[in-house]
Amino acid sequence: QVQLQESGPGLVKPSETLSLTCTVSGGSISSYYWSWIRQPPGKGLEWIGYIYYSGSTNYNPSLKSRVTISVDTSKNQFSLKLSSVTAADTAVYYCAREVGASGYWGQGTLVTVSS
Amino acid sequence: EIVLTQSPGTLSLSPGERATLSCRASQSVSSSYLAWYQQKPGQAPRLLIYGASSRATGIPDRFSGSGSGTDFTLTISRLEPEDFAVYYCQQYGSSPLTFGPGTKVDIK
Repeated sequence: QVQLQESGPGLVKPSETLSLTCTVSGGSISSYYWSWIRQPPGKGLEWIGYIYYSGSTNYNPSLKSRVTISVDTSKNQFSLKLSSVTAADTAVYYCAREVGASGYWGQGTLVTVSS
Repeated sequence: EIVLTQSPGTLSLSPGERATLSCRASQSVSSSYLAWYQQKPGQAPRLLIYGASSRATGIPDRFSGSGSGTDFTLTISRLEPEDFAVYYCQQYGSSPLTFGPGTKVDIK
């Protein structure tokens, strides 16, 4: 059974860079697309972007200038970096397998942007 | 960008009743790449339907999806207590991927 687990700091200061890692277990990261999605408290879901195991990426234009998604196949992990964060970036961040119709999600991790 | 609109915002029903949720797209959704998710408080979304009408693995047959183009529907034939949750539609046929704002199904 494939499992995904997000990890990273739960508190980030304004203007700094948010960094999260998703570790995939129970299956290989190869041959799939991997996504990041976020959900501000009490609000809806927002797609951030995805990466193919080979390294090709696609980002939401609304975040593109600040987002980098990378993959480390040797560790079965992929990562998210979001730069110049503000309070508006406070959200639960989820990693998921596939571009859409994602059947496998991490449990989510709350990242708060505050000084 | 394809904007998804869901209606109603809240649906108040009793267990055993039928729920009909709507998702309308601002443009045609390519190849019916439309998915439905269920989300309960404190949990990640759970995939129910993909390709507009295909049930995901392990999803009970009381959940069904239909539609094409710009109009899609999720139907829950008979609500069970565990079905009271928020439901989101998502289009994944064109970039950027987008989600609807959600429909909350609560107990009447």
